[in-house]
Amino acid sequence: QKEVEQNSGPLSVPEGAIASLNCTYSDRGSQSFFWYRQYSGKSPELIMFIYSNGDKEDGRFTAQLNKASQYVSLLIRDSQPSDSATYLCAVEPGYSSASKIIFGSGTRLSIRP
Amino acid sequence: KAGVTQTPRYLIKTRGQQVTLSCSPISGHRSVSWYQQTPGQGLQFLFEYFSETQRNKGNFPGRFSGRQFSNSRSEMNVSTLELGDSALYLCASSPGTSGRAYEQFFGPGTRLTVL
Repeated sequence: QKEVEQNSGPLSVPEGAIASLNCTYSDRGSQSFFWYRQYSGKSPELIMFIYSNGDKEDGRFTAQLNKASQYVSLLIRDSQPSDSATYLCAVEPGYSSASKIIFGSGTRLSIRP
Repeated sequence: KAGVTQTPRYLIKTRGQQVTLSCSPISGHRSVSWYQQTPGQGLQFLFEYFSETQRNKGNFPGRFSGRQFSNSRSEMNVSTLELGDSALYLCASSPGTSGRAYEQFFGPGTRLTVL
């Protein structure tokens, strides 16, 4: 089982709709969770981080964390074509690990006009 | 505040050669992490340096090494290059200490092609 799993997509969402991206992780002791956006040919850009159970909102983005079920999700409201990118979920494992942050393989999101 | 810078942006080498990549973190950030990104493997962690010491290391062979200087700038070296080393090498800067220690900001990357 991969430590951080994401559906690779592509996830196609109509413009103006809500895009929902999901991520599951295996280490129950994980403490910090991050969402990065990566445009094609560019480097990842941190867009959201969440540490506590529940929801965290920032503009059109909402991160949701459920530690009991070991998943974290990212909702993008009023999706725009500029949101088309690959979204990487990253998790800081709770155990002592050589890899401080573990990235999922990413979900490719496509917003269709 | 200036972002993370990486040099060079593009590099072409041949098998057996060695290469050194450089990363300058955001001012005040003490942690620099290096990642390899390929289409097949995604983002793979190489190592992290904090205050000139390697704090974490991923599962890469010893051909991959790094160091960090007193001004937090970091270099990564790959010796005896193999075709499979062709990738985008990303450096990420973070405060590295308590609180928002693991919020990483990535540089533009160095695209390495090994022929």
